[in-house]
Amino acid sequence: GAVVSQHPSWVICKSGTSVKIECRSLDFQATTMFWYRQFPKQSLMLMATSNEGSKATYEQGVEKDKFLINHASLTLSTLTVTSAHPEDSSFYICSAPDSSSGETQYFGPGTRLLVL
Amino acid sequence: GENVEQHPSTLSVQEGDSAVIKCTYSDSASNYFPWYKQELGKGPQLIIDIRSNVGEKKDQRIAVTLNKTAKHFSLHITETQPEDSAVYFCAAKKGNTPLVFGKGTRLSVIA
Repeated sequence: GAVVSQHPSWVICKSGTSVKIECRSLDFQATTMFWYRQFPKQSLMLMATSNEGSKATYEQGVEKDKFLINHASLTLSTLTVTSAHPEDSSFYICSAPDSSSGETQYFGPGTRLLVL
Repeated sequence: GENVEQHPSTLSVQEGDSAVIKCTYSDSASNYFPWYKQELGKGPQLIIDIRSNVGEKKDQRIAVTLNKTAKHFSLHITETQPEDSAVYFCAAKKGNTPLVFGKGTRLSVIA
């Protein structure tokens, strides 16, 4: 299947700093990518839909100024956690649908964020 | 909106036995139903999917069945192996809307 990568795989940062997470579709183009957050032993919670060339669509309760999303190209979306706080510590996962395979959605390996 | 219920939340089976995980969905317009396997510390991996124009799909030891009338779909794993131990998520969507996930099933295969 198609490959989606994320970088970094894990990051530790101090409270108040910003952290950028990259999501790339390696062998296909994605006009849309999705960002999820997952707490331990829980399901994936959709945070926002990243749209190439336009603004992201955020789910209810997700602060757009806190979680900045930029879909810079057809293969790259970035999520920036601004002014991070310990409660932002989580597992962040991106996904992208591959239109050549009927919109099958492939997930990245995830980024574990720990805010001290 | 769509709501996906998944059962059981945990499942333990002996190696070699079969495992069945069931999901129900609420939106009759949903037309795509994937299953993902997630190992600890990793992203979800697509293992099989089914679209609404098909009732059953099989890939080696894994099969998925879909009952559109009852709005439920199931994952069947036969001849389970220890490496099948993971958390499994079902999901549903229609058109270009985002996937809606079930809460997951933690499968343990006991050697």
